[in-house]
Amino acid sequence: GQNIDQPTEMTATEGAIVQINCTYQTSGFNGLFWYQQHAGEAPTFLSYNVLDGLEEKGRFSSFLSRSKGYSYLLLKELQMKDSASYLCAVQGGYQKVTFGTGTKLQVIP
Amino acid sequence: GAVVSQHPSWVICKSGTSVKIECRSLDFQATTMFWYRQFPKQSLMLMATSNEGSKATYEQGVEKDKFLINHASLTLSTLTVTSAHPEDSSFYICSASGFKSYEQYFGPGTRLTVT
Repeated sequence: GQNIDQPTEMTATEGAIVQINCTYQTSGFNGLFWYQQHAGEAPTFLSYNVLDGLEEKGRFSSFLSRSKGYSYLLLKELQMKDSASYLCAVQGGYQKVTFGTGTKLQVIP
Repeated sequence: GAVVSQHPSWVICKSGTSVKIECRSLDFQATTMFWYRQFPKQSLMLMATSNEGSKATYEQGVEKDKFLINHASLTLSTLTVTSAHPEDSSFYICSASGFKSYEQYFGPGTRLTVT
């Protein structure tokens, strides 16, 4: 089975840095995704990690440690528009992706 | 980038009727399509996986006779909610995957309200 844990809610200040953690226990692992989802909208792709280490993409970075079953999403220079839910998702066999419950991030002035 | 569309974007129907939702990959061939359901303040729950030309694989607890999935071509999959009830009201989202296994592109979602 799949078990994915991430904090339910986080609050951070505009311009700051925030780290959203995700731990997982899965029966199979092919990669880990991070998605952003604004209320009432479909998720949008942020990152995909297959190998251990840090992947940087602009203001967003994602880290993976397969041995620890751990990932984090790092958001720098926070903007108000970054207020959204951030979903950690693990890809197992047959391209099947299992989503965590998401972390609702509120960016305050 | 890859674009996935869904139609309709929202639908209201009466209890007992059936509703069909279409998912199309507009600029790539989708070998696999996924259907998710998301209730308010909850995460996406995978309902089923469909590969072009074969029967869909349903997740545990999802009734295949109630949620009919057809993936007739590499660009189109449909989800039909049969005999819909108010508890089926939800946000239904499809995603499509191409020949690269990690690609998964989401449609904009369909909000279903059953009265």
